[in-house]
Amino acid sequence: GNSVTQMEGPVTLSEEAFLTINCTYTATGYPSLFWYVQYPGEGLQLLLKATKADDKGSNKGFEATYRKETTSFHLEKGSVQVSDSAVYFCALRDTGGFKTIFGAGTRLFVKA
Amino acid sequence: EAQVTQNPRYLITVTGKKLTVTCSQNMNHEYMSWYRQDPGLGLRQIYYSMNVEVTDKGDVPEGYKVSRKEKRNFPLILESPSPNQTSLYFCASSMTGGVAYGYTFGSGTRLTVV
Repeated sequence: GNSVTQMEGPVTLSEEAFLTINCTYTATGYPSLFWYVQYPGEGLQLLLKATKADDKGSNKGFEATYRKETTSFHLEKGSVQVSDSAVYFCALRDTGGFKTIFGAGTRLFVKA
Repeated sequence: EAQVTQNPRYLITVTGKKLTVTCSQNMNHEYMSWYRQDPGLGLRQIYYSMNVEVTDKGDVPEGYKVSRKEKRNFPLILESPSPNQTSLYFCASSMTGGVAYGYTFGSGTRLTVV
């Protein structure tokens, strides 16, 4: 079946550091890939998405590229801020659109 | 404001006492779903609904029921809650069940079953 694996956290960075959170997936067909962010005490918010191979999703300085050859969708940001501290979830929506599968989440701490 | 509203936000109940968590969206979305979030496990899908009167099981449906009588509402029912259903629950919706659509999430319901 489909699955999503993302790097374990927590990830601790200093402000203005470069961020990478790794995400790999297993899927049949043509899924879409997503990153969601969860701030403390809140629900998840859609951060970015990519719907086909080689697509790049981007939002708020974050970006991720749908790599079919490596089955990956790594999240990157060039310069993190304290306000980026949150839990980040990689997710896959299956070809039929019926289900979305989430990774276990990666907690990011950014120090001033 | 476009949103998914869940109630209650917090609930403590006893084993076996039936409860309902409500979910309502004001975006005219066709697709709705329930997830539970547990530490180290991420989010796991309980049930989903592609449209009114159309529901199906997700990955962890045991012990839960849902109904979709109206497009905007998708309540989650625990007929006989047990302690292993203690969790953080999220309702989510998307415009359709199409593969390209992301979800809008509610703020969550933290359920404790003692």
